[in-house]
Amino acid sequence: DAKTTQPNSMESNEEEPVHLPCNHSTISGTDYIHWYRQLPSQGPEYVIHGLTSNVNNRMASLAIAEDRKSSTLILHRATLRDAAVYYCILGLGNNAGNMLTFGGGTRLMVKP
Amino acid sequence: DVKVTQSSRYLVKRTGEKVFLECVQDMDHENMFWYRQDPGLGLRLIYFSYDVKMKEKGDIPEGYSVSREKKERFSLILESASTNQTSMYLCASSLDFADGSPLHFGNGTRLTVT
Repeated sequence: DAKTTQPNSMESNEEEPVHLPCNHSTISGTDYIHWYRQLPSQGPEYVIHGLTSNVNNRMASLAIAEDRKSSTLILHRATLRDAAVYYCILGLGNNAGNMLTFGGGTRLMVKP
Repeated sequence: DVKVTQSSRYLVKRTGEKVFLECVQDMDHENMFWYRQDPGLGLRLIYFSYDVKMKEKGDIPEGYSVSREKKERFSLILESASTNQTSMYLCASSLDFADGSPLHFGNGTRLTVT
């Protein structure tokens, strides 16, 4: 299975943009890039996903490198409620055997 | 909004007991998943199912089985619970595989085996 690499932790100031990086050098052509976040005592929450093109939604933006070997989750203005563990994962393409694997994620700390 | 409901938030069982963890989703999703989450190890996939009565092993299926008799319900079974199965168990569902449909998670069941 394709794996991802993320920094263990990052820190941001409130109301500033945050760029969370993810490397996935062994990504296959059918792998989608997904981002989830997990708040304490909750299950992971879907943030955004994409295949090749950059994506925007109400929560965040996803910038995907041209070679697809890395991606960046962008939170445009961090709030205290954005403090969470962010997971970048690959999978759920058109092959049922292409399973999702969650790594350790990035713990984002937001300072007021 | 999709709702994934896990039957118990906390569960305490004894070693050797048979344990059932239940998960129900209300959005007619094709795929359902069981993960366990442990400190330092992230989320690891135990089993998933892409149709009724179909199941596939994930990364760590040993000591577990699953049942999917109805589309909306996916059960995780610990045939004989052991202390190393103390963990947070998370159920998830997704619409299908074709377009990278996102996972929707429940809030987890924290199982303690004594």
